[in-house]
Amino acid sequence: AQRVTQPEKLLSVFKGAPVELKCNYSYSGSPELFWYVQYSRQRLQLLLRHISRESIKGFTADLNKGETSFHLKKPFAQEEDSAMYYCALPRASNYQLIWGAGTKLIIKP
Amino acid sequence: DAGVTQSPTHLIKTRGQQVTLRCSPISGHKSVSWYQQVLGQGPQFIFQYYEKEERGRGNFPDRFSARQFPNYSSELNVNALLLGDSALYLCASSGGTSVYNEQFFGPGTRLTVL
Repeated sequence: AQRVTQPEKLLSVFKGAPVELKCNYSYSGSPELFWYVQYSRQRLQLLLRHISRESIKGFTADLNKGETSFHLKKPFAQEEDSAMYYCALPRASNYQLIWGAGTKLIIKP
Repeated sequence: DAGVTQSPTHLIKTRGQQVTLRCSPISGHKSVSWYQQVLGQGPQFIFQYYEKEERGRGNFPDRFSARQFPNYSSELNVNALLLGDSALYLCASSGGTSVYNEQFFGPGTRLTVL
């Protein structure tokens, strides 16, 4: 079964430290993965997607098919990065996005 | 454009009742998806509609139904409410049929079943 796992419910790091939010998936085929973010009192919004291979707000994510991972990384965390982060996997067969449980990122000053 | 709008913001119902949640997509978006988000979990897909037709359905009982109107707005209906239906219900719109299109989310409707 297709599944997305975010093993950390909470991640707390100091400002300026590197951040890595973990996402593991199970999928047969070539996956397309997304990271969505929800800042406090804001809506869920797309942060970045695998296919774009871009850096958004300093975040990058590399698809590692061998390890079936799509970890989100940022070299130097900023306080405004504090938010809930969700990894999501599209299942084209029924137009469904499969979501991880989310990781709450807290950046300490 | 105010983005995706949902109504009501909050709702309290008792077990066995029925509820209707409403969603208006971003202007020009023809696809609407519904998700249920229970506290501490990620969103769970319920339905996707495109051009008034159901395109996808998640693993939810038949008590859950939805429809899309000619103006692309959508309603989610839940019958015979259970305590476990208490959750945040999210609506998302996108510009195309593909699940790979970016989805734009509304603020959600918080449903409490007593």
